[in-house]
Formats: sequence, C-alpha cells, structure tokens
Amino acid sequence: EAQVTQNPRYLITVTGKKLTVTCSQNMNHEYMSWYRQDPGLGLRQIYYSMNVEVTDKGDVPEGYKVSRKEKRNFPLILESPSPNQTSLYFCASSPFSRSRYEQYFGPGTRLTVT
Amino acid sequence: SQKIEQNSEALNIQEGKTATLTCNYTNYSPAYLQWYRQDPGRGPVFLLLIRENEKEKRKERLKVTFDTTLKQSLFHITASQPADSATYLCALVKGGFKTIFGAGTRLFVKA
Repeated sequence: EAQVTQNPRYLITVTGKKLTVTCSQNMNHEYMSWYRQDPGLGLRQIYYSMNVEVTDKGDVPEGYKVSRKEKRNFPLILESPSPNQTSLYFCASSPFSRSRYEQYFGPGTRLTVT
Repeated sequence: SQKIEQNSEALNIQEGKTATLTCNYTNYSPAYLQWYRQDPGRGPVFLLLIRENEKEKRKERLKVTFDTTLKQSLFHITASQPADSATYLCALVKGGFKTIFGAGTRLFVKA
C-alpha cells in the first residue's frame, strides 16, 4: 500500500531532550516536507526537500533540523525542544512531475514538550 | 508578507445543497493552488489542483475556480452529503515546492 509513515505517533518529552521524528514513504517520491499544525494557524511548512541531499527552509524552520540521506526517509530533528514546539506534526511527500503536484500526508505525530 | 485567508467561521448547509468555500491570498503569485480535505485527527487528503493559467477544474461533485486577478479561489461541493463534513484547506505552491496553507474552513452538512 502506498503510504507515508511517521513514528512515533504520540510523544511527550521534556524541554531540552533531543528527539527525532521519522518519516518514510514507499512511493519513490522526490519531494518531501514537514509541517506543523496549530489551532487557528493551519499547516505551516518547516522544511522541505526536493531530492536526496537537497533541503530548504519553509516558513518556520527555527529550532528544527532535517536530513535527506535516502530518498524514502526524511527525519525531523529537534535538538533542544521547547514548549512552543508542542504541536501536531505532519510529513508529506509528492512526485516531482509537471502533471502531479499533490502531496500525500502521513498520519501525524502529536508532540508535547513540558 | 504572504497571506492566505479562508473563512474562519464554520459553514453549515443542508444535505443536497451546494457548499462554496473561499480562499483569498495576498502578496503572492502562486504557480498553482491545491485543495485538501482533513478529518479530525488525520492528515490532509488531496482533492484538486488548479494551475495559474486555468480558470476552472472539476472532479465528480467538486469544482474549483481560480481568479488570479482577484487573487481568489472558490471550492464548490455540489449535492453535498453528511459524509462531506470535514475541514477543507487551500494551499498555494510556488516554484520549488514552497507551500503555504490556509487555516481551513470547517464544513458541516446536515441530513
């Protein structure tokens, strides 16, 4: 089944404790992206990647890191989480094609930083 | 700065009627615009895409219009059903896959 998977789905952590949220897609998509979703603010793009070793900042990259060493994986790293990073996080992938730009989203990771 | 506005108030309509949702944007020249559906606790699901040189796109009961002069997109669901109840998001994409989403409009369809 074609899908985007994220792990963990739920995470409660403390301020300053480094964490990684994994994202993997099995559709051979070139493009991947991370978003956070907060009430009233909608989805905001954190980072995106157009292919292996190619990443770029979205609108809210502060406090986050990403890497794209393999085409299928795009982990999101929080080196020193803070309470304002408590949010619902979504990973998405998309084929790099002139005719297809739709994004396929993962199920989300709900992160709480205390 | 770039801004997208969707109706923040929920839209309540009767089953069988046409639902119309609005997406307005400023300070932006998108390459294309997308509409997604999001159910509570789930990731968004892609519905339709319309390019900057297209005026209208249809898919089954869904229709999207795109007016780059007004900087507005309208999303229509005809013959609405209770199963259409969800939050609908519009997203603007410029070259390079930099994407901006609106906050979404909640739609309730009453039987």
